[in-house]
Amino acid sequence: DGGITQSPKYLFRKEGQNVTLSCEQNLNHDAMYWYRQDPGQGLRLIYYSQIVNDFQKGDIAEGYSVSREKKESFPLTVTSAQKNPTAFYLCASSNLAGTDTQYFGPGTRLTVL
Amino acid sequence: KQEVTQIPAALSVPEGENLVLNCSFTDSAIYNLQWFRQDPGKGLTSLLLIQSSQREQTSGRLNASLDKSSGRSTLYIAASQPGDSATYLCAVIPTGANSKLTFGKGITLSVRP
Repeated sequence: DGGITQSPKYLFRKEGQNVTLSCEQNLNHDAMYWYRQDPGQGLRLIYYSQIVNDFQKGDIAEGYSVSREKKESFPLTVTSAQKNPTAFYLCASSNLAGTDTQYFGPGTRLTVL
Repeated sequence: KQEVTQIPAALSVPEGENLVLNCSFTDSAIYNLQWFRQDPGKGLTSLLLIQSSQREQTSGRLNASLDKSSGRSTLYIAASQPGDSATYLCAVIPTGANSKLTFGKGITLSVRP
């Protein structure tokens, strides 16, 4: 069963803690992306990776970090430097060509207590 | 900088009505335009992708058109059903943007039985 999985579905974090959101895909896609969604703001790109061991900052990368050690995995760490981390986080993947559609995971809702 | 606008933010229609959702973008230099559906608390599902060289795409009761010169796309939903209730987002990949999608904020559609 091909697709993108994200875990956990819900995540609670205390202020000052780092947390890592998981994203795995078995679609053999080269490119992977992390978006943040806030009410009334649409989706904003945090980081993206077009190939293993390489990634680029998106529009709102401050306070976040990523790694791409394997083609299938693109974890996102929300650090304590992120001032407003409460949001819905979506991971996506696509073929490297960039002309194909992006496939999205089910999302992780992060709440800072 | 590419901007994508979707107006209105919300729409309520009676079941059976044919409807049009609008999307506009500021820069006509795009690789493609995509329409997505998002149910509450869920990830995005790709509905239609229109390449820059195409004018429209159809899938079942959905038809999406693209007019690059005017920076507009429309998503036509025929014979709307309560199950069509969701948020519909359009997104473009600008030319040279390395497959980075720019999203509109979405239109929340409610189809009343």
